[in-house]
Amino acid sequence: GESVGLHLPTLSVQEGDNSIINCAYSNSASDYFIWYKQESGKGPQFIIDIRSNMDKRQGQRVTVLLNKTVKHLSLQIAATQPGDSAVYFCAENRSVTGANNLFFGTGTRLTVIP
Amino acid sequence: KAGVTQTPRYLIKTRGQQVTLSCSPISGHRSVSWYQQTPGQGLQFLFEYFSETQRNKGNFPGRFSGRQFSNSRSEMNVSTLELGDSALYLCASSLVGFGETQYFGPGTRLLVL
Repeated sequence: GESVGLHLPTLSVQEGDNSIINCAYSNSASDYFIWYKQESGKGPQFIIDIRSNMDKRQGQRVTVLLNKTVKHLSLQIAATQPGDSAVYFCAENRSVTGANNLFFGTGTRLTVIP
Repeated sequence: KAGVTQTPRYLIKTRGQQVTLSCSPISGHRSVSWYQQTPGQGLQFLFEYFSETQRNKGNFPGRFSGRQFSNSRSEMNVSTLELGDSALYLCASSLVGFGETQYFGPGTRLLVL
């Protein structure tokens, strides 16, 4: 039969524009969050992380915002480039498990239009 | 430092066979986690090993197993393969695990016919 894949949210932006990718998480006990970028045929690549005692963290061209009140995470990419085209995943580490396993969102496919 | 390496990169098996995948973590990393990635289910946690002990396990059947060696290298095994086991299997390593960034390898793409 026909297989049904995950419906990935998609975001298309013009090269040079800023991108904002959003993620909702479910567990209020999660205390550590990571954004990963996955290009076709490759494993997820670490972009930036944030702990629950912070609400904003900046890296090179990227900023992560954490709103614990509404359990929402966002990744902002400044001056988006064609090389930023990929699927972006947020992941949460749930401290209640007592061990290191990440729960991943479904991902957002970012397409940068030259 | 070299990144996480996984072997083989691609594998084709038939139903009922078993398969062993290998992962070498970043030097000095002692925690190794395995994930399955499929179009239908996304990225799902399989298990995590630390100091040769399985520390946490996801919701996968007992056909999926793993182990870790004293040098932190890890293997995962899938017995009695099913068509639905076709997936990208990813290994990730971190220093000691909890609350740390995990660094992923390129994955092993398994196709079960």
